Amino acid sequence: GQNIDQPTEMTATEGAIVQINCTYQTSGFNGLFWYQQHAGEAPTFLSYNVLDGLEEKGRFSSFLSRSKGYSYLLLKELQMKDSASYLCAAVAFSGTYKYIFGTGTRLKVLA
Amino acid sequence: DAGVIQSPRHEVTEMGQEVTLRCKPISGHDYLFWYRQTMMRGLELLIYFNNNVPIDDSGMPEDRFSAKMPNASFSTLKIQPSEPRDSAVYFCASVLRRTEKLFFGSGTQLSVL
Repeated sequence: GQNIDQPTEMTATEGAIVQINCTYQTSGFNGLFWYQQHAGEAPTFLSYNVLDGLEEKGRFSSFLSRSKGYSYLLLKELQMKDSASYLCAAVAFSGTYKYIFGTGTRLKVLA
Repeated sequence: DAGVIQSPRHEVTEMGQEVTLRCKPISGHDYLFWYRQTMMRGLELLIYFNNNVPIDDSGMPEDRFSAKMPNASFSTLKIQPSEPRDSAVYFCASVLRRTEKLFFGSGTQLSVL
């Protein structure tokens, strides 16, 4: 089957570090995306992991373990503008592509 | 490139009316997806196309929903007749296979009264 799990909500303080976890079960798994979505807007691309390990991009990092079906998004030096939903999405390929999204984690950054 | 373009941005209609949502994918992209997003269920895949051919429509909730892609630069999602439970944000997204990076349109906020 196809399944993605991530926490519904998280709260953190400005300047802190937060880790958003995602577990997945997807046949034909190809890679794992993280998208950011501000209220009332479209999801925008943050990161894409295909191989195991950590990918760092400025204040944001994403990690993938294919053997464990696990990923996390790490946000450092949190800013108020980071308050948004963070969507984990698995890409599966079995003849054609399919993107399966989690329900998203709503992150609130407090002053 | 202008990105994925959806219209209208907002649609308010009465129950029973026909609704048509439109999408223009990024030029050269070979996959197009239609998603529906609600607070309760998150992003749900409705249907997707590869080179204008529908591949998987198992996410289309009922026969009231239909989607077409007559050419590489245009797709429609139609709801007939519409019902209040169809109220949601509908996103169109496209991707070029070799990059795998999905680009979303700005969405259509549909309200069925």
